[in-house]
Amino acid sequence: QSVLTQPPSASGTPGQRVTISCSGSSSNIGSNYVYWYQQLPGTAPKLLIYNNNQRPSGVPERFSGSKSGTSASLAISGLRSEDEADYFCAAWDDSLSGRVFGGGTELTVL
Amino acid sequence: QVQLQESGPGLVKPSQTLSLTCTVSGGSISSGAYYWSWIRQHPGKGLEWIGYIYNTGSTYYNPSLKSRVTISRDTSENQFSLRLSSVTAADTAVYYCARIPAAGRDYWGQGTLVTVSS
Repeated sequence: QSVLTQPPSASGTPGQRVTISCSGSSSNIGSNYVYWYQQLPGTAPKLLIYNNNQRPSGVPERFSGSKSGTSASLAISGLRSEDEADYFCAAWDDSLSGRVFGGGTELTVL
Repeated sequence: QVQLQESGPGLVKPSQTLSLTCTVSGGSISSGAYYWSWIRQHPGKGLEWIGYIYNTGSTYYNPSLKSRVTISRDTSENQFSLRLSSVTAADTAVYYCARIPAAGRDYWGQGTLVTVSS
C-alpha cells in the first residue's frame, strides 16, 4: 500500500495529451516538493520533474508537472510510442522523515 | 555531475545479512544538505524508501524495516553502505542508492538486483 495514490493505468493515442494524477496528504505533497519519474522495463527510474514543475536538462518540454494542495499531476503532450512506461510520483514526508512514493501508473500508447 | 554506483552480492541466503555499498563520485557525502538514501523495488512493484544517512552522519530508517537496517558511511572512500539482517524471500528486490535533496534534482544509481534464496 503506497502512501501516494496514483491510478494503476493510463492510455492515449499518439499525439494526444495525457495526465497522471498523484494524491497525498498535508505531510507530504501538501508541504514538500513533488518529483516524477519514468521507468522503462529493466531500467532505473529516470527523473522527469523535480520541485513540482522543473525539468532536468534533456527532458523534453512535452513533460510538465503541477501541484495544487495535496495533489499533483504529470502531463505528457504530443504522446509518442516511446513514452510507454511506468510513471511514479514521490515526495518527502514530514511524518515519516523520508521519501514516499506512488504505486506507479502504467502508461500505454495505443 | 554526481554519479552513484551500487555494488554487492546478488544472491543472499535466507536469515543472512544483505550488504551493499554505494560509491559516489562528483560530490562529497560529507557536504551539502543531502539525504544519502537507499530505496528498493520489489519485482513488478512500486518503490520503497529504506532509510538515509545525512551529511552529519545521522541516520533515519523506515519504521517498517528499522529493526533490521543499518546504514553507515566511509567518508575516506566517499561511500555509504546498507546492511539488512535476517533476510527472507520478501527482501528480494532491486536496491538503489540515491542522493535525495530537500529541494532540487536528485540522483540515483542504476540499481542492483539482490535475490534471497538458498
